[in-house]
Amino acid sequence: KNEVEQSPQNLTAQEGEFITINCSYSVGISALHWLQQHPGGGIVSLFMLSSGKKKHGRLIATINIQEKHSSLHITASHPRDSAVYICAVYTGNQFYFGTGTSLTVIP
Amino acid sequence: DAEITQSPRHKITETGRQVTLACHQTWNHNNMFWYRQDLGHGLRLIHYSYGVQDTNKGEVSDGYSVSRSNTEDLPLTLESAASSQTSVYFCASGGTGNTGELFFGEGSRLTVL
Repeated sequence: KNEVEQSPQNLTAQEGEFITINCSYSVGISALHWLQQHPGGGIVSLFMLSSGKKKHGRLIATINIQEKHSSLHITASHPRDSAVYICAVYTGNQFYFGTGTSLTVIP
Repeated sequence: DAEITQSPRHKITETGRQVTLACHQTWNHNNMFWYRQDLGHGLRLIHYSYGVQDTNKGEVSDGYSVSRSNTEDLPLTLESAASSQTSVYFCASGGTGNTGELFFGEGSRLTVL
């Protein structure tokens, strides 16, 4: 049983497309994190959410606590957005991680 | 700037050898974690520490050990490397407070032949 489920697992998009990655979780959380991992690279934090919506540039993250669901949106996607996006939930004393969504943006 | 660094970034070893992966952070975080990342799995917790002299087992701790002699370092040791331990290993620090913000190292890719 996975406490965090992401969809889709793999996603290919044309440059400029609007992209949505979904995350559902089954545990009570203190915060939800969206992480980015470029090929062969480290893991960096994009967003930390406990409610509502956050925006950084072309990236938008939303969370619905009642439905235990979060989405990561990328507007006007670019090849440099190609990476694995990981959803992680923090319960207040431990983390659960999704298996990641591999995004490829084609020029 | 504060950072978290791992070494080596890449290592190839043979079955049965002892391997140590280093992790050093300058955030002055009490909490440090080791995860492994494998295809089809999310990050899985190997060991973690909440402070000097404190170490705890995670969900996949068999065959691994850690020690915490100071705040900055949490080395991960594979006592007798096995092919099943071929993976990418990530060290992280932080993970406290309301948000649990984690800072990750660049990862160490280990191949056991």
